[in-house]
Amino acid sequence: AQSVSQHNHHVILSEAASLELGCNYSYGGTVNLFWYVQYPGQHLQLLLKYFSGDPLVKGIKGFEAEFIKSKFSFNLRKPSVQWSDTAEYFCAVKSTGGFKTIFGAGTRLFVKA
Amino acid sequence: ETGVTQSPTHLIKTRGQQVTLRCSSQSGHNTVSWYQQALGQGPQFIFQYYREEENGRGNFPPRFSGLQFPNYSSELNVNALELDDSALYLCASSAPAGNNEQFFGPGTRLTVL
Repeated sequence: AQSVSQHNHHVILSEAASLELGCNYSYGGTVNLFWYVQYPGQHLQLLLKYFSGDPLVKGIKGFEAEFIKSKFSFNLRKPSVQWSDTAEYFCAVKSTGGFKTIFGAGTRLFVKA
Repeated sequence: ETGVTQSPTHLIKTRGQQVTLRCSSQSGHNTVSWYQQALGQGPQFIFQYYREEENGRGNFPPRFSGLQFPNYSSELNVNALELDDSALYLCASSAPAGNNEQFFGPGTRLTVL
């Protein structure tokens, strides 16, 4: 069965620090990968997605993620976080052509001003 | 372009009751998925509707059922409510097959007492 594991449940950073959130998935076939963000009081929004091609994908607000197929990983990165990045981040995976998206448990990021 | 909307925002029910949650999909989207997000967890896939037919289901019992209407809006019905059904219920719509990007609504917070 598919599953998604997010390594950190809570992360606290100071502004301008670099961010890397880990995500590993288990599935043997071809997948589509996503990172979603949920800002306080707002609904889930797509940050970035990987379908195929260049394994380094860039999303909104300066976020990027790298798909490493051999490691079944899709880690999210940002070189310099801002206070406004405080949110919960979810990694998700969907088998190509499938109907079911599997989410990780989420990582709560708090950025100190 | 109108986004995904859900109603009601909040709902309180007692154990054993039945509940209906509603979702209006984004314009042009004919696929709707429902998710349950318990406190501190990521969204869990309940089922998906495409052109008024259920075309995929997660590990939820039959007392979770749904409908999709010709205008692609959707309902989630839960019978015989249990305390563990307390959660945020999310609806997500997506464009026709081939595009896996989902757009989420704000959710309905269900509390079962």
